[in-house]
Amino acid sequence: EIVLTQSPDFQSVTPKEKVTITCRASQSIGSRLHWYQQKPDQSPKLLIKYASQSFSGVPSRFSGSGSGTDFTLTINSLEAEDAATYYCHQSSSLPHTFGQGTKLEIK
Amino acid sequence: EVQLVQSGAEVKKPGESLKISCKASEYSFTSYWIGWVRQMPGKGLEWMGIISPGDSDPRYSPSFQGQVTISVDKSISAAYLQWSSLKASDTAMYYCARLTAGVVGTLDVWGQGTTVTVSS
Repeated sequence: EIVLTQSPDFQSVTPKEKVTITCRASQSIGSRLHWYQQKPDQSPKLLIKYASQSFSGVPSRFSGSGSGTDFTLTINSLEAEDAATYYCHQSSSLPHTFGQGTKLEIK
Repeated sequence: EVQLVQSGAEVKKPGESLKISCKASEYSFTSYWIGWVRQMPGKGLEWMGIISPGDSDPRYSPSFQGQVTISVDKSISAAYLQWSSLKASDTAMYYCARLTAGVVGTLDVWGQGTTVTVSS
């Protein structure tokens, strides 16, 4: 089973700041890495698919990069509405797995 | 609008059985695998398994193999998650989601979640 490790677990940030969340896979997964946003009491929402492809309707301040074992989600010019927990997910091999999540708090 | 609508919240006792549902609309149900994800209270997302509605072929995470059963009824575009004997540790929110591009796909559409509470 592929283990995904996100960092940091928690980050407190101010609006307009740039945020970087990383996800490291225990073995190479190519580009089969996806990012989701989950706000309190809501279902997760897809932000980025296949490492760097933006999902329809997602604001352009969200972007993804990486391949192999190291991946990054970047949020440029953070907005208050971005307060949420962010998860990475690999679909390279079964069973799929999620990272443990990164909680973003807006100061 | 493509949607997955899940059945309502459940409160059960340990040892009871349960089957929750996920009904798809506005897309070809048999063209996309469906996945199930668990979220225990205050915790992260856990991938439970997926199923191909076309041939009812389920694949389970080892953590959930033998603990739950994933099935579909393609005649009504519904997927199911079933327990034969619930435990208190099954208390969680359960989400279904649609996979794009087969087993290597991403989860692009999510249901609203079903809360399952197991308590004596």
